[in-house]
Amino acid sequence: EAGVAQSPRYKIIEKRQSVAFWCNPISGHATLYWYQQILGQGPKLLIQFQNNGVVDDSQLPKDRFSAERLKGVDSTLKIQPAKLEDSAVYLCASSLYRSGRTGGYEQYFGPGTRLTVT
Amino acid sequence: GENVEQHPSTLSVQEGDSAVIKCTYSDSASNYFPWYKQELGKRPQLIIDIRSNVGEKKDQRIAVTLNKTAKHFSLHITETQPEDSAVYFCAASNDFGNEKLTFGTGTRLTIIP
Repeated sequence: EAGVAQSPRYKIIEKRQSVAFWCNPISGHATLYWYQQILGQGPKLLIQFQNNGVVDDSQLPKDRFSAERLKGVDSTLKIQPAKLEDSAVYLCASSLYRSGRTGGYEQYFGPGTRLTVT
Repeated sequence: GENVEQHPSTLSVQEGDSAVIKCTYSDSASNYFPWYKQELGKRPQLIIDIRSNVGEKKDQRIAVTLNKTAKHFSLHITETQPEDSAVYFCAASNDFGNEKLTFGTGTRLTIIP
């Protein structure tokens, strides 16, 4: 099966500029996640979608970050305006939704977008 | 919220020896514990996971153990090979919640030929 697709792979912008990232999850995966991975750290969840609804955005800096998942498939993450500390790899992941005890779930990660803010 | 601590941050072992990475978690409701391997410049990939109703799980050279009482879990890699060199992340989540994964800070494992 095709994996999670992300674009662009690399982006360099100046601070205060805006940037957008795109993610296409694995077909049929209802849950989509955006993570921020700063160099040397583990991924940190920014936002989680279940179909086109937001499940968790508690760690999303809402004054500058926004995300949407129209039609419950593709998603975009936007930063406006960018700060130096936003330099990181932005990972998109998707998973099948399986409730309760009936099964596990695996989050499949995309290749990420490496953002450098200068 | 959940907090996951991971140790050590770096680990070097001779090829053929075993490697152990340990994680602790804070939320007693967490019941799913995956381990991800991330090679340099690549995406994290799941290598093994364990649920809270199981104490140990093994897959060839990789095993994970879970102690619910102490709230810690460990990754064991035996007969290490050069291709095991990578950064390993543990994570925890509550399947009965929103399945949000909280990751540890990672362990850089280097296998010395």
